[in-house]
Amino acid sequence: AQSVTQPDIHITVSEGASLELRCNYSYGATPYLFWYVQSPGQGLQLLLKYFSGDTLVQGIKGFEAEFKRSQSSFNLRKPSVHWSDAAEYFCAVGFTGGGNKLTFGTGTQLKVEL
Amino acid sequence: GAVVSQHPSWVICKSGTSVKIECRSLDFQATTMFWYRQFPKQSLMLMATSNEGSKATYEQGVEKDKFLINHASLTLSTLTVTSAHPEDSSFYICSATVGGGGYTFGSGTRLTVV
Repeated sequence: AQSVTQPDIHITVSEGASLELRCNYSYGATPYLFWYVQSPGQGLQLLLKYFSGDTLVQGIKGFEAEFKRSQSSFNLRKPSVHWSDAAEYFCAVGFTGGGNKLTFGTGTQLKVEL
Repeated sequence: GAVVSQHPSWVICKSGTSVKIECRSLDFQATTMFWYRQFPKQSLMLMATSNEGSKATYEQGVEKDKFLINHASLTLSTLTVTSAHPEDSSFYICSATVGGGGYTFGSGTRLTVV
C-alpha cells in the first residue's frame, strides 16, 4: 500500500535561517506530489505541486521542492524563513490510476524563533 | 479562481443529533469532491470520495450510515454526521479536483459534540 512519511514531527528554526522539510513516499507508480500548509483551524493552502518535467518546482511564498525519484523524496525548502511561515506542513501524494485520491503525510509543525 | 466554500466553520451539537456540513465550489464545477477528517495535531484521513450524481465511495472503516454524503449538483456536496457522538468531534475538510491537476480545499469545519 502507498504511504507518505514526514520524518520530522516538529522543526524549530530561527527567522532568516534556511529550511528543509522532508517527505518520502512509497508508491509503485509514478506519483504526483504536493506540499500544503495549514494554519491552526484553517484549511489547506497549496504551496507547490509536481506532476512531471523539471524536478525542481517553485511555489508560492518563496518555497521550492525537488523531486528525487531515486530517493523517493520530495523535500520542501526555503532559503530564508519568515516568522509568518510558522504553521503545519503536509506532503501529499497521488498517482495516476489512483482515482484522484491523495494520501497525506503526518505533517511537520514548523516553529520560527525570532 | 477555484474556490471551495465550506460551511459552517464551526458547530456545536448535542449528542444524538445530526449535523450537515456543506461544501460549495464557487467558480467552477466540481465533478469530484473528497471529504477528510483530521484529529488534533494529526494528518488528514480520507473518508470518502463524492461524485456528482452517484453514490459516494467510502474508505475502509468509515461508516457510510453515520457519515452521509450527497453530491446532488456540480457545485454542492454535503456531509451529514448522523446521530453524532462525542467521538465524532473532529475537524472535517472537503476538497475538489480542479483543472490542470491539483486540488482546492475548503477552510474546514470544527465539529464539537457535547
